[in-house]
Amino acid sequence: QVQLQESGPGLVKPSQTLSLTCTVSGDSINSGDYYWGWVRQHPGKGLEWIAHIFYSGDTYHNPSLKSRITISMDPSKNQFSLRLSSVTAADTAVYFCARSMLAAGTPFDFWGQGSLVTVSS
Amino acid sequence: EAVLTQSPATLSLSPGERATLSCRASQSISTYLAWYQQKPGRAPRLLIYEASTRATGIPARFRGSGSGTDFTLTISSLEPEDFAVYYCQQRSNWRLTFGGGTKVEI
Repeated sequence: QVQLQESGPGLVKPSQTLSLTCTVSGDSINSGDYYWGWVRQHPGKGLEWIAHIFYSGDTYHNPSLKSRITISMDPSKNQFSLRLSSVTAADTAVYFCARSMLAAGTPFDFWGQGSLVTVSS
Repeated sequence: EAVLTQSPATLSLSPGERATLSCRASQSISTYLAWYQQKPGRAPRLLIYEASTRATGIPARFRGSGSGTDFTLTISSLEPEDFAVYYCQQRSNWRLTFGGGTKVEI
C-alpha cells in the first residue's frame, strides 16, 4: 500500500521560507509511473493546487504561486519537497502531498494526512 | 485556466436518498475531470477520474458522468458514511484547479 507522510515545521515566521518534505513508501518516486504533487487547504476552505514534479525533473506550478515555489525530489530517500518563500498569514493552511496518476486530468490517488503550517510571528 | 463551479453548495438529504452533484467548467475540459470526497480532518479521497471511471475500491453507488463543460456525480443511495464534502478537479495545460465543493449533509 502506498503511503505518503508530510514533515516540516508547523510554525513559520512571516517573510521566511516554508519547507515541507514528503516521504513516500510502497512506491518509487523515480519509477516514472506517477507525478508527485502538493495541494493546500486554507482553514475551512477548499483545495488549492500548488505544484507537481515528475521523475524526469520536470516541474509544474500554480501560476499564482510560481515565483515563490520550489519543488524538488530526492530519489535516494524516496522523498520530494516543497519550499514556499516570503510567506504571509495567507499561506497558513494544511499542506498535503499526493501522488498523481498519469491519467487525463492528473488525478490524485493517494494522499498524505496533511501538515498544518501556521504563519505567525 | 478552467474555473470549476460546483452546485449546490449544500445538499441536505437523508440516508437512502439519491444525491446529484454538479460541476461546471468555464471552458471545455473534455473528460479531464476527477471527483473527491473529503471528511473533516481527513485528506481527500479519489472517487472518480476521467469523468466516469471509478477509482480502486469505490462502491458502485458512486457514478460520474459528463464531458466538455458539464459534469455530474451521482450517489444512487446515500449511506451514512457518504455525508461529506465533495470536490471536482481538472487539469488543462498544466493549470490544475478544484471546484469550491458541495457539502452533502443530513
